[in-house]
Amino acid sequence: DAGVIQSPRHEVTEMGQEVTLRCKPISGHDYLFWYRQTMMRGLELLIYFNNNVPIDDSGMPEDRFSAKMPNASFSTLKIQPSEPRDSAVYFCASSLTTYYEQYFGPGTRLTVT
Amino acid sequence: AQSVSQHNHHVILSEAASLELGCNYSYGGTVNLFWYVQYPGQHLQLLLKYFSGDPLVKGIKGFEAEFIKSKFSFNLRKPSVQWSDTAEYFCAVNENDKVIFGPGTSLSVIP
Repeated sequence: DAGVIQSPRHEVTEMGQEVTLRCKPISGHDYLFWYRQTMMRGLELLIYFNNNVPIDDSGMPEDRFSAKMPNASFSTLKIQPSEPRDSAVYFCASSLTTYYEQYFGPGTRLTVT
Repeated sequence: AQSVSQHNHHVILSEAASLELGCNYSYGGTVNLFWYVQYPGQHLQLLLKYFSGDPLVKGIKGFEAEFIKSKFSFNLRKPSVQWSDTAEYFCAVNENDKVIFGPGTSLSVIP
């Protein structure tokens, strides 16, 4: 398996624009996680899915953030409208269950100017 | 609520020094424990994990961790660090259906 795939790897956008981050989990993994990492706040769990269903979105910072998982092999994290404080590295991870280790993707580095 | 704390924010060591990074969690029930490492500019990857059995767990690259249930701790150790161990280290705890990560410890190894 190619591991968790994320795209794009880098995204630079202007404030107010819509940003969509994409993730393809490892085949057969039932859990998918979205994280945000910054120097100030460290690694934050935004939302996670089990079998394509959102289980806990309490980490989503505000209504500007939304995430979907239309099928077992694809998820998106959307920010609309984007703001400079959204600048961070966004990681997607997948796992068989929460009892097993998570496999992280390479991350998307988002810069909002 | 469950929480995970890591004792040190930033550790600086010389090569060949011994390493111990502290991790404590607050949940009193059955837990699964993990240490992840993030090398500069890379994503997190698993170093080692504890599910059950021998509380002394050996991982990759010479790392080990000891689960002490009475102290709610899962400290990471390595007898002799190398420059290539420079990275961010995250402790994580699985409780029920959720994994909680600690804030991370940045390790800098000086050649």
